[in-house]
Amino acid sequence: SQQGEEDPQALSIQEGENATMNCSYKTSINNLQWYRQNSGRGLVHLILIRSNEREKHSGRLRVTLDTSKKSSSLLITASRAADTASYFCATDSLYNDMRFGAGTRLTVKP
Amino acid sequence: GAVVSQHPSRVICKSGTSVKIECRSLDFQATTMFWYRQFPKKSLMLMATSNEGSKATYEQGVEKDKFLINHASLTLSTLTVTSAHPEDSSFYICSARDYSGGKTEAFFGQGTRLTVV
Repeated sequence: SQQGEEDPQALSIQEGENATMNCSYKTSINNLQWYRQNSGRGLVHLILIRSNEREKHSGRLRVTLDTSKKSSSLLITASRAADTASYFCATDSLYNDMRFGAGTRLTVKP
Repeated sequence: GAVVSQHPSRVICKSGTSVKIECRSLDFQATTMFWYRQFPKKSLMLMATSNEGSKATYEQGVEKDKFLINHASLTLSTLTVTSAHPEDSSFYICSARDYSGGKTEAFFGQGTRLTVV
C-alpha cells in the first residue's frame, strides 16, 4: 500500500506562477523526499528533508515538513513550461521502507 | 549523488517467458534494495524489500513465486518476472539505500519498461 496522499492530483498553471503541492503520510519517518518524473521516464531526486527539519530550499524549490501533522509541501516558484511533470513525495520510514504518494501531475502552460 | 544502474531499460518478451532485471549500486554498498512497479499515470507501488543475504519481504498482494528477487551481493539485486503475461507489462524501478557516513538516503535506477506480447 502507498504511504502518502498527494494533493492536488493534477495542477495546471501559467508560466511564471507558483505551484504548490501537498503530501500527507501516516507513519513516522526518517526523512521525506520529493521526486520528479517526466512521462514514462525515471525518477529525478529533487530534495530531501529530514524529520528534524522544518523547511528546506533548493533553487526555485521550497519544501516544508510538519511532522505533527504528518504533511509536507513542495513549492515551485516562477514556474516554467519545462517544470511540466509528475511530482511524488516519498517517505523513508522508521521501518526501513520507502513509499510513494499518489503524485501530482503538474502542467505549466507557456 | 550515488549511482544506481538498472538494466535493461526496455525489454519486450513473449508470454510465458521469464525476464530478469538487474539493479546495481555502482559506488556504494547497498544492504537494502527496493523494487517498485508503476502503471501508466499512476504512482510507484512498493513490491518488495530485499536485504543482502536474506529473503525478500514482499508487499501484500505481490506473488513471490511470480516476482523472484535475489540480493546475493551488496551491489546487486535482481528481479525475475517468471512466466510473464501481458498484465505484467509495466515500468519497474529499483532503489538502493546508502547507509555510509551516517546517511540513510535511497537512490533510484532509471527504470525498466517491460512489455509482454
